[in-house]
This record gives sequence, C-alpha cells and structure tokens, in this order.
Amino acid sequence: NAGVTQTPKFRILKIGQSMTLQCAQDMNHNYMYWYRQDPGMGLKLIYYSVGAGITDKGEVPNGYNVSRSTTEDFPLRLELAAPSQTSVYFCASTQWAGDNEQFFGPGTRLTVL
Amino acid sequence: KQEVTQIPAALSVPEGENLVLNCSFTDSAIYNLQWFRQDPGKGLTSLLLIQSSQREQTSGRLNASLDKSSGRSTLYIAASQPGDSATYLCAVKDNQGGKLIFGQGTELSVKP
Repeated sequence: NAGVTQTPKFRILKIGQSMTLQCAQDMNHNYMYWYRQDPGMGLKLIYYSVGAGITDKGEVPNGYNVSRSTTEDFPLRLELAAPSQTSVYFCASTQWAGDNEQFFGPGTRLTVL
Repeated sequence: KQEVTQIPAALSVPEGENLVLNCSFTDSAIYNLQWFRQDPGKGLTSLLLIQSSQREQTSGRLNASLDKSSGRSTLYIAASQPGDSATYLCAVKDNQGGKLIFGQGTELSVKP
C-alpha cells in the first residue's frame, strides 16, 4: 500500500493564480482531511470529508474549496492565491471517526509570491 | 472549543538526559491522543497513540501517559540522543468528525 500520497511536493504560485493540491489514499478510508501548518505552529484543519460526496468546513476554510467524488481522492482547490496561504499542506485519512489512527501524507510546501 | 497547549515551546538538553514533554487539552471528550515527531521540513511521524480508555503507551525509549480527567498528557523520553532532536506535536482526536486538534509543538534539541 502507498498509504496517503500528495502531489506536488513543492509549488510556487503568484498572487491571484489558482491550483489544485492532490491527495489520494489506497486504504479504503472513509474519512479524509486537509490541514495546513504555518511556520512554528501546529496543524489547523481546513476541510474534511466523511465519505464520497460529503464535505465540511474545518477551522480555516476561507480561500479553499474541496470535492470528494471518489473514496480515494480528496483534492484541495485554491482559487485566488494570496500570500497568507503560504504554508505546508497535509492530507490525512482514517477509516472512521472513532478511536483509530489518522494517517498523514508527506505534505505539499506552497509559497505564494 | 477544544484547545491544545504544549509546554515548553522549546527545550535543549544534553545527551543522555531523561526528559518530559507536556500537552494539555481543555475538553476531555476525546477519542484518543496522538504524539507525532516532525523533522525540519519533513512530514509527521506517528510515535504513540493512546486510546481514551488507556492510561499509557510505550514504544522503546518513549512512554506517553494520558490523564483525561485533568486534560493532560506527557511524553517521556529516556536516555535522550542527538537523533531525538525534532519538533514533537501532540494532537487530540475530537468526537465530532474525528478531527485532530494539534498543539503548537515542542522543539527539542539534544546536544552531544
């Protein structure tokens, strides 16, 4: 199993550009999450999904959109990139919302100039 | 709203010392608590996961405890080594959507 994969690893965007961060998992997990980590800080939840077709906002959703058309994929869309979105983005998944472990991808480092 | 706090923010110790990292949380309604390690510029490595019904978990030189009633967890590292230098994050899994709420991390430096 590849686990949770994320692409790209690094990206530099100009202000106002758009991009999609890709996340995929091959563990047949129902729940998937997007977090961002600013320098020297812990992770904050952007959006999450409890299954295909169902998404919900986390703590910091502004400026982002998500979709979940399949169990495996959970892309994160930035429509109009701003310098405040410079961060490291982590995708995670888990089988259900109970007491089991959440598995993380390697992260995408995004810089907006 | 659940809040997670880690103290200290940074810690520097000589090699060989035993040390304790602290994590506190405000709402005891959690599924579990997880400790992660993060090396500079890298992703998260899960170290230990403690279920809400458990009191502690051990892995090698690491021991994590959980006191749900007081909202506290500690990560004990025995006989620290320079290779233990990293940022350590704790996170609680809340019981609404299974989201992880993270602390800010403790940056550990172990000097040879």
